[in-house]
Amino acid sequence: EIVLTQSPGTLSLSPGERATLSCRASQSVSRSSLAWYQQKPGQAPRLLIYGASSRATGIPDRFSGSGSGTDFTLTISRLEPEDFAVYYCQQYGSSPRTFGQGTKVEIK
Amino acid sequence: AQLVESGGGLVQPGGSLRLSCAASGFTFSSYDMHWVRQATGKGLEWVSGIDTAGHTYYPGSVKGRFTISRENAKNSLYLQMNSLRAEDTAVYYCAREAIAVGGTYWFDPWGQGTLVTVSS
Repeated sequence: EIVLTQSPGTLSLSPGERATLSCRASQSVSRSSLAWYQQKPGQAPRLLIYGASSRATGIPDRFSGSGSGTDFTLTISRLEPEDFAVYYCQQYGSSPRTFGQGTKVEIK
Repeated sequence: AQLVESGGGLVQPGGSLRLSCAASGFTFSSYDMHWVRQATGKGLEWVSGIDTAGHTYYPGSVKGRFTISRENAKNSLYLQMNSLRAEDTAVYYCAREAIAVGGTYWFDPWGQGTLVTVSS
């Protein structure tokens, strides 16, 4: 099983600042099969990024993903008020599908 | 594409519950489907998957207790949960794999979730 470790656990930032979220895998993620999801309280997860770096339909270009192998990053270039949420990475290249424990981006 | 879960509720430890997920807006039979759960204040945990041929997949935490199934004629996905434990308390989401062709893909869309509470 691939274990995904996200850091930091909580990121306290102000609107307009840049957010950098990390997702590290315990072994190489095949074919960069890594996705990022955003979740707000009381809502289902929403797909942001797939294939490590491809933005999902309708996702603003302030969201970007990068990385390969075992190290992946989600960057939010300029935080908007609606971006404060919890973010999860997921690997889907091998079974069982696994998620990271999440990074909460909160308003400073 | 839309997914709507139902069937959650309060059940005693050791009891059973069957969740349903109604799919619409896409050719249900062409997609692999999954259940993912989330305990209150916790992260996401994949709990089962079923491919278009009916092959099923589970993590060790639920294997032997949970059974995923699908009924393509009714555009429906199910999760039969037996021998429930307090630690199974969570919101259960159904989710579709994003692409119909062979391979493994990210999950999109997700349903809104249904709450299962295991307590005496």
